[in-house]
Amino acid sequence: GAGVSQTPSNKVTEKGKYVELRCDPISGHTALYWYRQSLGQGPEFLIYFQGTGAADDSGLPNDRFFAVRPEGSVSTLKIQRTERGDSAVYLCASSSPGVVNTEAFFGQGTRLTVV
Amino acid sequence: SQQGEEDPQALSIQEGENATMNCSYKTSINNLQWYRQNSGRGLVHLILIRSNEREKHSGRLRVTLDTSKKSSSLLITASRAADTASYFCATRSIQGAQKLVFGQGTRLTINP
Repeated sequence: GAGVSQTPSNKVTEKGKYVELRCDPISGHTALYWYRQSLGQGPEFLIYFQGTGAADDSGLPNDRFFAVRPEGSVSTLKIQRTERGDSAVYLCASSSPGVVNTEAFFGQGTRLTVV
Repeated sequence: SQQGEEDPQALSIQEGENATMNCSYKTSINNLQWYRQNSGRGLVHLILIRSNEREKHSGRLRVTLDTSKKSSSLLITASRAADTASYFCATRSIQGAQKLVFGQGTRLTINP
C-alpha cells in the first residue's frame, strides 16, 4: 500500500478483555516498530521487528503485551487482560532495509480506550 | 525511557516569526531525526541529521546538531498557521540503533 495502515482506528474495550491491533507496513519495509503514546507525551517504544523476528522487545511493559509478525509483513499487537492504564494511541511505523540512517513512516495509530 | 528532551514544552508565536525548538539527549547517537505530529495521530518525518553533520536545511527548516553538547535545534523560518503542530526529536543510539527514542515534544502554536 501507499502508506502504513493501522486498524482499527479506534477501539473501545472493557477492562479485562483481550484486544488485537493490526499494522500493515509499507511493502518492502523489513523493519517494523510499535510505539505507545499517551496524551501530551512523546511516543514510547514498545517493540521492533526485523523481518519476522522481534529484534528488540525491551519496551513491552509486561507480559500482557505481545506482538507477532509471522510472515514478515503484517504485525499484530496483542494485549491481554486490558487495564485502564493501557488506554493510549498505539502507533506503528516501518522503515526500509538499512535501518540506521533511514526515516520511519508512521501509521495514523489506533486509539485504544479501556473502560 | 525517553532519551530526548525538548524545550520549550510549548511555544506560541505570531505568523511570520521564526520558531526555534531545542532537543537534548543522553547517549552517543548515529543520527537524530525531527518529526511533526498533528492532532495526536501519525507522525511525519521532517529531517534526519547524521552524527557527523552539523547543520542541515530543508525548505524553511534548519536543523543543527552539536554532539559535544548532545543537543539539536530545529528552526522554522517565516512560520505559517499550518505549522501549528507538535514537534518531536528522536535519536538512534550507537548501541541499540534499531529503535528510535522520542522526546516529549514541543507544542507549537502559530497565531494568525
